[in-house]
Amino acid sequence: DIVMTQSPDSLAVSLGERATINCKSSQSVLFGPTNKNYLAWYQQKPGQPPKLLIYWASTRESGVPDRFSGSGSGTDFTLTISSLQAEDVAVYYCQHYYSTPPGTFGQGTKLEIK
Amino acid sequence: QVTLRESGPALVKPTQTLTLTCTFSGFSLSTSGMCVSWIRQPPGKALEWLALIDWDDEKYYSTSLETRLTISKDTSKNQVVLTMTNMDPLDTATYYCARLYSSSGSMDVWGQGTTVTVSS
Repeated sequence: DIVMTQSPDSLAVSLGERATINCKSSQSVLFGPTNKNYLAWYQQKPGQPPKLLIYWASTRESGVPDRFSGSGSGTDFTLTISSLQAEDVAVYYCQHYYSTPPGTFGQGTKLEIK
Repeated sequence: QVTLRESGPALVKPTQTLTLTCTFSGFSLSTSGMCVSWIRQPPGKALEWLALIDWDDEKYYSTSLETRLTISKDTSKNQVVLTMTNMDPLDTATYYCARLYSSSGSMDVWGQGTTVTVSS
């Protein structure tokens, strides 16, 4: 099974500053025939279900603010929040869906306000 | 509007079988590319993907739990059912169902979750 490892486990960023969360997969999730990275990012606020933010590693889900962006390819990926807002406090998860079925999540990164 | 809602017992005893139902609306599980997944989250811990069923009735399971899981669908009722046998206190968690569509490959709409406690 592909293992997803996020870093850091927790992060404190000042309002208006950039937040960066990393995700590394134990093997490539880039599918050659489609040239797509099978990687998604989710946001989970306390007491709520996860919310899809990014899919195909860099495609923003409809309605997600453009301060959220995803990048990376192969085994190394990044979720960036360009200007942290108070409502962005949450736990963020990456997940691969390279293999059939959809696969493992990372362990999560807790984002707080400094 | 796409919605999903999980239902099932809040409390089960160790060794019992858990049956959870996901009732959805706003899409059809007979549409090509459509799938429904189950995911769980123990208190204070990370998400764990459990199972998926697709429009063609193909079924996929977590390798670590596949001997205990069964997923099925009733397209006419817009329901997906997950059973988990031999429940253990370590299976205490919030269980979510979510829609997955091939256009994104990821889970774009989630239910609110149902909390299951395993205790004698």
